[in-house]
Amino acid sequence: SQQGEEDPQALSIQEGENATMNCSYKTSINNLQWYRQNSGRGLVHLILIRSNEREKHSGRLRVTLDTSKKSSSLLITASRAADTASYFCATDEENTDKLIFGTGTRLQVFP
Amino acid sequence: DGGITQSPKYLFRKEGQNVTLSCEQNLNHDAMYWYRQDPGQGLRLIYYSQIVNDFQKGDIAEGYSVSREKKESFPLTVTSAQKNPTAFYLCASSRPGRTTGNTIYFGEGSWLTVV
Repeated sequence: SQQGEEDPQALSIQEGENATMNCSYKTSINNLQWYRQNSGRGLVHLILIRSNEREKHSGRLRVTLDTSKKSSSLLITASRAADTASYFCATDEENTDKLIFGTGTRLQVFP
Repeated sequence: DGGITQSPKYLFRKEGQNVTLSCEQNLNHDAMYWYRQDPGQGLRLIYYSQIVNDFQKGDIAEGYSVSREKKESFPLTVTSAQKNPTAFYLCASSRPGRTTGNTIYFGEGSWLTVV
């Protein structure tokens, strides 16, 4: 079963604009992570936010987590063409080590 | 270099054949995973293993089998019982931790096509 659902499914923006992607999940979690996937490649870990954290930054990335709404958002500021990829959220359910991925947001950044 | 190696990158299978995808990691991780990804879709968990000689079914285990005889290796066999095996397969590993979080590291994937 899919734990996370990303929104929107696809997003197209111009370089320099900000990109915001959202993730909703269903059960209680230990952590929520965001991953990036270039076409036809493996996924790469971007950032992890723990269930007791509300916001986290890493370079141009800003992640928020609202456990009461079971949702998270990923903001990429000042986007670049090289940010073009699919972005996935992933959650590990409480009391398990199983990581469940969402359906992903395909981001296209035009130069 | 440390990492996860999947092979082959591309594989063609005739209907009715079993095929095995290799996954090796030298990260000294305890947990390993297999995911399936269909074009334009998210990842679905096939099998995972948290320790040598033990593994659990994921959400779509039917038609697949795995083994975990060594810590470094977690091969996936796609059997003839898998009705629609054409997909992108991703192997991953992690060192789970309640405080550090379960960040997982992926291989570059294997494309399987049924011909």
